[in-house]
Parts: sequence; structure tokens; C-alpha cells
Amino acid sequence: EDQVTQSPEALRLQEGESSSLNCSYTVSGLRGLFWYRQDPGKGPEFLFTLYSAGEEKEKERLKATLTKKESFLHITAPKPEDSATYLCAVSRGSARQLTFGSGTQLTVLP
Amino acid sequence: EAGVTQFPSHSVIEKGQTVTLRCDPISGHDNLYWYRRVMGKEIKFLLHFVKESKQDESGMPNNRFLAERTGGTYSTLKVQPAELEDSGVYFCASSNRDRASSYEQYFGPGTRLTVT
Repeated sequence: EDQVTQSPEALRLQEGESSSLNCSYTVSGLRGLFWYRQDPGKGPEFLFTLYSAGEEKEKERLKATLTKKESFLHITAPKPEDSATYLCAVSRGSARQLTFGSGTQLTVLP
Repeated sequence: EAGVTQFPSHSVIEKGQTVTLRCDPISGHDNLYWYRRVMGKEIKFLLHFVKESKQDESGMPNNRFLAERTGGTYSTLKVQPAELEDSGVYFCASSNRDRASSYEQYFGPGTRLTVT
């Protein structure tokens, strides 16, 4: 059974304090690893897809990396508007369904 | 481009009643998915349509749930009769037919279902 574990569950940062979120996965035949951002009362917002180990993607202050066992979402010099829950998900083989982790709730203090 | 829309945003019903949720995917997206999150749990897959056909319904919890996508456009998810454990947030997502990006799913705002 596919498993996705995210850590930490919650993270509080001061504005400008860089950090990383972790997503560990166990899946047979990884097709893709996905990062989403979710704000309260809203649906997940797509951020990145990573398909193979060694791949990196960047968007503004966010950078996602992938190894064979885990992915990291690096946040550089975060701002209060980066506060949200960050979700990691995987898909396997030809199946399109996503298996989600429980998320990391990020709070960036001004 | 309009995103995925869902209706209603919130529904409160009594146990035993019927509720129908609606999802309008992004225009041109052949793939449509339903997910839900129950209290304190991760978002879980329910089913996947390709156009009007059910491609994968392995996540549907039981036969009280019926999903349809007539004409390959919008989709409905009916719960009949509703039970207390059906409470949660139901998300719809869609992805396009292009092979390169068809795994990228775009989510709607969700419908919060409360069964009392």
C-alpha cells in the first residue's frame, strides 16, 4: 500500500527564516510526486510535479527536490503570505489517483 | 480560465437524507476526480472519470455513493442515504487530456458536508 508521511506536522518560522518540509514516500512504481498548497477553507492549489530522482523545480521562494525515498520543499526567506498547509501526494504507475500525506501547517510570523 | 467549481459550498443534512454534490471541471479537461477528507484524516481518492466513463472507482466507500458524469462535462456525487460518517469535505479535481500534464490535478474549493 502506498504511504506518504510528511514532517513536521506544524512549523512556525520568523519572516526571512529559511527551512525545509519533508515528504517521505513508499510507493511501487512512482509516476509522480506532487506538492500542493492549501489555505483554510479552500481546495489544494497545485505547486509542482516531480517525476524522477534528482529533479528540482522552483517557484518564487519555493524549491522542491526529489530523491528515491523522499522529497523536500525548501522555503527561502519566507513571508507571512507563505503561511498555509503544504500537502505532498504521489501517483503510481498508470493510475491517476493521488495518495496524500497529512500535510505540514506552516506559519510565518512577521 | 475558470477553475474547478463546486456546488454547494456547504450542505447540512440529517442522517438518512439524500444530498447531491456538483462539480464543474476546467473547460476541456477530460479527467475528473472526486476526493474527500473526513475529520482529522488525509485527503482520500474516491473515483476517476475519463470523459463520461468511470476509469477507477476503487475508492468509493460503499453503494450509498453514486457518481455520474453525463456527457463528459460536469459531474454529480450523490449520497443516499447519508450517514454520520459521511461528514467531511468533498473535493473535485480535473486534469487535461495532454499526456505530458495529465497527471497534474487542479482542485476545486470543496463542498463541506455535515450530516447530523
